[in-house]
Amino acid sequence: NAGVTQTPKFQVLKTGQSMTLQCAQDMNHNSMYWYRQDPGMGLRLIYYSASEGTTDKGEVPNGYNVSRLNKREFSLRLESAAPSQTSVYFCATNWGVAFFGQGTRLTVV
Amino acid sequence: DAKTTQPNSMESNEEEPVHLPCNHSTISGTDYIHWYRQLPSQGPEYVIHGLTSNVNNRMASLAIAEDRKSSTLILHRATLRDAAVYYCILRVLNTGFQKLVFGTGTRLLVSP
Repeated sequence: NAGVTQTPKFQVLKTGQSMTLQCAQDMNHNSMYWYRQDPGMGLRLIYYSASEGTTDKGEVPNGYNVSRLNKREFSLRLESAAPSQTSVYFCATNWGVAFFGQGTRLTVV
Repeated sequence: DAKTTQPNSMESNEEEPVHLPCNHSTISGTDYIHWYRQLPSQGPEYVIHGLTSNVNNRMASLAIAEDRKSSTLILHRATLRDAAVYYCILRVLNTGFQKLVFGTGTRLLVSP
């Protein structure tokens, strides 16, 4: 079992470009989350999805959109990337215990 | 969301025990206490959790105060591989869903 898989692992964008971060889980969990982690900081919640078909804003949703495509997949979209969005992005699922992906390192220049 | 407070950093020597404290004075009766750790360049991983009683697993032990307003993660013999950021968070009982709000955690430094 892969657990939580994030793609891509690394990405460099120019300011104003758009991209979608993909997350897929094979654990059949209802809840999925997107976090960002800036250098030396803890994780901040961007968006979450309690179940298929529902999404809600977390602490820092501005500049992002999400789609819960089905139970397995939860994507995060940056419509117009900004340097302030340079960060490491983590996807997670939760059913009692949370499981995290390995992260996507995004640099916006 | 219920809050937790942890020291920013702690240091230990290899093969010595480490006690990582966490305060959660606003905990409710149904909140579980969870600990995760984040190794360098990796996503967080689950360590241990408990409700009222002390808990042991292969990675660590969790000591919970009688009033549940604080807890301590115990690494019995620290190794260099235990150097990580340790997060203490609260999770509501019997719900598959929670926001899982992380603080800044405690950075554990382990010296040879």
